[in-house]
Amino acid sequence: TQLLEQSPQFLSIQEGENLTVYCNSSSVFSSLQWYRQEPGEGPVLLVTVVTGGEVKKLKRLTFQFGDARKDSSLHITAAQPGDTGLYLCAGPSSNSGYALNFGKGTSLLVTP
Amino acid sequence: DTAVSQTPKYLVTQMGNDKSIKCEQNLGHDTMYWYKQDSKKFLKIMFSYNNKELIINETVPNRFSPKSPDKAHLNLHINSLELGDSAVYFCASSPGTGFVGELFFGEGSRLTVL
Repeated sequence: TQLLEQSPQFLSIQEGENLTVYCNSSSVFSSLQWYRQEPGEGPVLLVTVVTGGEVKKLKRLTFQFGDARKDSSLHITAAQPGDTGLYLCAGPSSNSGYALNFGKGTSLLVTP
Repeated sequence: DTAVSQTPKYLVTQMGNDKSIKCEQNLGHDTMYWYKQDSKKFLKIMFSYNNKELIINETVPNRFSPKSPDKAHLNLHINSLELGDSAVYFCASSPGTGFVGELFFGEGSRLTVL
């Protein structure tokens, strides 16, 4: 099983601060996805990155896929309380292209 | 209209009981999944079905038995429940055949075994 390591595990910041969370693996992935999960709900897809070195922006969120396609980062500019949640990275399973393996997530709390 | 719906949302039961969780998707997707999220929020694949056929069966005790009566439904039956089965179980679907695209998750079913 390809392991996805996420860091930090927990992050508590104040509104307006910037932050970066990381997703690392020793394996090469054809693509990586980022999901956000809010309490009491299922994860929701934010973005899929496919090409090494790719950068995608979603409003204040910037996602980057490493050149070697082994890692990814998520940068949030001027965090808001609405960004609070569990951020999960996921990649296709090496056992089967039908499933995603998830990292253990970064739990983000943004306080006003 | 909910895309992936699971019932029940909460389930509290005693050790040794048998319980089922139902899942339905109205997205027309070919592939459905069961994931288990433990108390540390780790989301782990349990099963995957493609067009009613089992394609992934991770290392899960055989007390867990998935059933897919048609490609829009994937149910999970658990026999002889144990304390360690307490978790949130998520059903998901994806349109991909041969590769996995976006996963669409239900709201989860929180199982508590006493």
